[in-house]
Amino acid sequence: EAQVTQNPRYLITVTGKKLTVTCSQNMNHEYMSWYRQDPGLGLRQIYYSMNVEVTDKGDVPEGYKVSRKEKRNFPLILESPSPNQTSLYFCASSLWPGEGGEQYFGPGTRLTVT
Amino acid sequence: SQKIEQNSEALNIQEGKTATLTCNYTNYSPAYLQWYRQDPGRGPVFLLLIRENEKEKRKERLKVTFDTTLKQSLFHITASQPADSATYLCALVLISGGYQKVTFGIGTKLQVIP
Repeated sequence: EAQVTQNPRYLITVTGKKLTVTCSQNMNHEYMSWYRQDPGLGLRQIYYSMNVEVTDKGDVPEGYKVSRKEKRNFPLILESPSPNQTSLYFCASSLWPGEGGEQYFGPGTRLTVT
Repeated sequence: SQKIEQNSEALNIQEGKTATLTCNYTNYSPAYLQWYRQDPGRGPVFLLLIRENEKEKRKERLKVTFDTTLKQSLFHITASQPADSATYLCALVLISGGYQKVTFGIGTKLQVIP
């Protein structure tokens, strides 16, 4: 089944404790992206990757890191999480970067930072 | 400043009627515009894509229009059904220097009343 998977689905952590949220897609997509969704602010793009080893900042990159060493994986790293990073996070992938192709979203990761 | 506006309040409509959702934007020049559906606690699901040089796109009961002069897209659901109740998101796809950024509106919550 074609899908985007994220792990973990739920995470409660404390301020400053480094964490990684994994994202994997099995559709051989070039483009991958991370978003966060907050009430009243909608979905905001954190980072995106046009293909392996090519990443760029979205609208809200502060406090996050990403890497794209393999086509299928695009982990999101929070080196020192803070309470304002409490949010619902979505990973997405798309076949054709640069051609506005539809994005397939993962199920989401609900992160709480205390 | 750059802005995307959708009807931020819920839109209630009687079953069988046509629902019309609006997406307005300022200070963007999107190459594409996408519409997604999101159900509570789930990732968005792609519905339709329209290119900057297209005026209208249809898919079954869905129709999207795109007016780059007015900087507006309209999303129509004809013969609406209670199962169409969800939040609908518009997304602008911005292409620059071979990179692709995506910016979402905050969504419109549609409620179809039986």
